[in-house]
Amino acid sequence: GEDVEQSLFLSVREGDSSVINCTYTDSSSTYLYWYKQEPGAGLQLLTYIFSNMDMKQDQRLTVLLNKKDKHLSLRIADTQTGDSAIYFCAETRQTGANNLFFGTGTRLTVIP
Amino acid sequence: EAGVTQFPSHSVIEKGQTVTLRCDPISGHDNLYWYRRVMGKEIKFLLHFVKESKQDESGMPNNRFLAERTGGTYSTLKVQPAELEDSGVYFCASSQGVSLKNEQYFGPGTRLTVT
Repeated sequence: GEDVEQSLFLSVREGDSSVINCTYTDSSSTYLYWYKQEPGAGLQLLTYIFSNMDMKQDQRLTVLLNKKDKHLSLRIADTQTGDSAIYFCAETRQTGANNLFFGTGTRLTVIP
Repeated sequence: EAGVTQFPSHSVIEKGQTVTLRCDPISGHDNLYWYRRVMGKEIKFLLHFVKESKQDESGMPNNRFLAERTGGTYSTLKVQPAELEDSGVYFCASSQGVSLKNEQYFGPGTRLTVT
């Protein structure tokens, strides 16, 4: 399968935690990524996780990977207004190719 | 160090016209990728250059799209003739190496509107 799915919208209050979810179908995923797109800007790589890991923490960001369920999540602690953006999950696969397979993106809105 | 740049930032053309998008990768990056996001859907891979050679063009939608990377530096993506369904945001990305860790640096995109 080729689908990488995300919910389209998420709203949180400033200071709360945000959890953005992603599911994928291809079992050959190798690396999984979270990209952030702010208005008028390109995609910025936030973090990535190798498929044999189940968790990675980087300051306010925590990535959880459940390979059995093919579920990836990004938790942002103490969400700030500057975190408002579109968040894309993406994966690479063991096909020999290096292109990324992206989800639809989740628009995170942080309410002051 | 300059990032990936794309030109133009916006383009509005009529159905049947031709448009050429340009991407300048980060200097020294041999790998250049084109992606497209149509109507708020997922971002889809179009093709991958290694230097001036097309490594993978499996994502190109049809023969109305022509990508080139003469000299292995900047790349152009031409759409001729444009159709309504070609509207979307075209992203370019570049990377230094070819590995599955694969950190790709993205440009801001070109928003193409076909009317």
